Amino acid sequence: GQQVMQIPQYQHVQEGEDFTTYCNSSTTLSNIQWYKQRPGGHPVFLIQLVKSGEVKKQKRLTFQFGEAKKNSSLHITATQTTDVGTYFCAGHNAGNNRKLIWGLGTSLAVNP
Amino acid sequence: NAGVMQNPRHLVRRRGQEARLRCSPMKGHSHVYWYRQLPEEGLKFMVYLQKENIIDESGMPKERFSAEFPKEGPSILRIQQVVRGDSAAYFCASQFGTGADTQYFGPGTRLTVL
Repeated sequence: GQQVMQIPQYQHVQEGEDFTTYCNSSTTLSNIQWYKQRPGGHPVFLIQLVKSGEVKKQKRLTFQFGEAKKNSSLHITATQTTDVGTYFCAGHNAGNNRKLIWGLGTSLAVNP
Repeated sequence: NAGVMQNPRHLVRRRGQEARLRCSPMKGHSHVYWYRQLPEEGLKFMVYLQKENIIDESGMPKERFSAEFPKEGPSILRIQQVVRGDSAAYFCASQFGTGADTQYFGPGTRLTVL
């Protein structure tokens, strides 16, 4: 079946360092969504990318959707302790918009 | 505009009891998804419902688990004869329409089976 892989599974950084998580799908996606889950919390929607090669920015966060619409990345510049949490990518299969296919997430820890 | 509501937030059950988890979607949303999350793991899709219809239950265990989303009232996820392995966080997410709409998550129900 379709799979969405995320790497790395865990990442520890020093505050101020950059962080990137990568998302790869085994099939073409119609869109990619990113969510953040704080420890003990629930997933919160961050952004959605739809177009091939699309790049969107939210302050220190940069999101990219690959040209083939099979991969995506989230890059955080100069991490802060408030960035701690698990970042999930999720996408809809290009042929089926009914169910989001979720990656397993990347857990980010930031040392002050 | 109230967000997605789930109750109870924490639920403790003994093995063999039933657990009922409730989810009230955001106002105007008629699509509900249930997910299970084990500690330190990702979200596992369980079931997708619209009002009075189960659209996709491919992630639901074949036995003991059932879900409904009636015309009136919240969506219910029911787990019969709970076992220790059912201990997890259960999240509900609602969506306005089909397709690529954003999913809005509730705070989750943390189920502990003793």
